[in-house]
Amino acid sequence: KAGVTQTPRYLIKTRGQQVTLSCSPISGHRSVSWYQQTPGQGLQFLFEYFSETQRNKGNFPGRFSGRQFSNSRSEMNVSTLELGDSALYLCASSLFYREGDEQYFGPGTRLTVT
Amino acid sequence: GNSVTQMEGPVTLSEEAFLTINCTYTATGYPSLFWYVQYPGEGLQLLLKATKADDKGSNKGFEATYRKETTSFHLEKGSVQVSDSAVYFCALSETQGGSEKLVFGKGMKLTVNP
Repeated sequence: KAGVTQTPRYLIKTRGQQVTLSCSPISGHRSVSWYQQTPGQGLQFLFEYFSETQRNKGNFPGRFSGRQFSNSRSEMNVSTLELGDSALYLCASSLFYREGDEQYFGPGTRLTVT
Repeated sequence: GNSVTQMEGPVTLSEEAFLTINCTYTATGYPSLFWYVQYPGEGLQLLLKATKADDKGSNKGFEATYRKETTSFHLEKGSVQVSDSAVYFCALSETQGGSEKLVFGKGMKLTVNP
């Protein structure tokens, strides 16, 4: 069974631009979560989608948005990029994501904002 | 809100040494607890989990016991190998808005020398 895939793996953008990251969950998984990983703040939850609906959102500004498609693939978008948005963005999928369920993480997209 | 505090390191050990990584949590109720590992250039992998008090999670020689009385979930391994070099994250699962999210500790980088 293929794992979680994320594209692109690396990305360099300039301040003020916008970026879209993509995540394909494990086949059959309906929940997709996104996390931001930085050296200073560690791993922080961005949002979670289940069956095309956002069920949960972390404390990030409105510049961070996401969506999920009917095939469970998910995208996240960051508009008006800032230097502080440089991070590793991780996507994780789960079957239903209930209490105690395991999440499977992708390799991440490394975003560098210059 | 809920939080996780763990040893941050970095820690360097010799092969076959004993490993303990302390992790304590603050939470309402009794969340599920996890240890994730991140190898260089990769995403997170679930190492082990425990879903209720006194549960012991174990995998690949690693163990951790859910201690309700001390709100702890310390990770141990009796004899580490060079291949265990990675960053280790303690996490809890928090229910919010009908969904789950992971709250992570800062992570601890472990290097094992031959």
